[in-house]
Amino acid sequence: EVQLVESGGGLVQPGRSLRLSCAASGFTFDDYAMHWVRQAPGKGLEWVSGISWNSGSIGYADSVKGRFTISRDNAKNSLYLQMNSLRAEDTALYYCAKTVDLSHHPFDYWGQGTLVTVSS
Amino acid sequence: SYVLTQPPSVSVAPGQTARITCGGNNIGSKSVHWYQQKPGQAPVLVVYDDSDRPSGIPERFSGSNSGNTATLTISRVEAGDEADYYCQVWDSRVVFGGGTKLTVL
Repeated sequence: EVQLVESGGGLVQPGRSLRLSCAASGFTFDDYAMHWVRQAPGKGLEWVSGISWNSGSIGYADSVKGRFTISRDNAKNSLYLQMNSLRAEDTALYYCAKTVDLSHHPFDYWGQGTLVTVSS
Repeated sequence: SYVLTQPPSVSVAPGQTARITCGGNNIGSKSVHWYQQKPGQAPVLVVYDDSDRPSGIPERFSGSNSGNTATLTISRVEAGDEADYYCQVWDSRVVFGGGTKLTVL
């Protein structure tokens, strides 16, 4: 059974940093691209970042470029999101999700999300 | 940047057919995916590549895509179909529509 379990969320002050993790199981992690998608309270889905199976290809939404860094450790079956210079508008539930690769393929599995609240 | 436009809400009576549209410039040339999200839950893929269904998704869910509009069709709507629905494409990056709240009357 595919499982994606996010962790690392919490309350953080504006301008500070936070690192999210996503632990994957039930599939061959290094065969798939991985993504972070977020959802602000009461709002729609927003893609944040994606990384190819070998970290050779990475993409970011304009809203987080230069502040967030996605990475993965295939030996640990884990995906990460380093979030720096956090803003109030980064407050959201952050999901990790898997796809075949960084292209037109859909997200076939999602985690349950970890909540990030940016507030003083 | 590429924009996907969905109606904020669609209402339908049980047993009827719901159609949720997703508009985008020449979207017919792209692969469109649809996700269902119920309150407090993660999104679930219900249609991919315009019209294919993942295993476990009822045949009542179908999709089409042509020109500037993709459509998710839910036949014989049930109370359990009430949810938010999102379309998604790839345009050098992932793009989501704004979402449509389906209300079953």
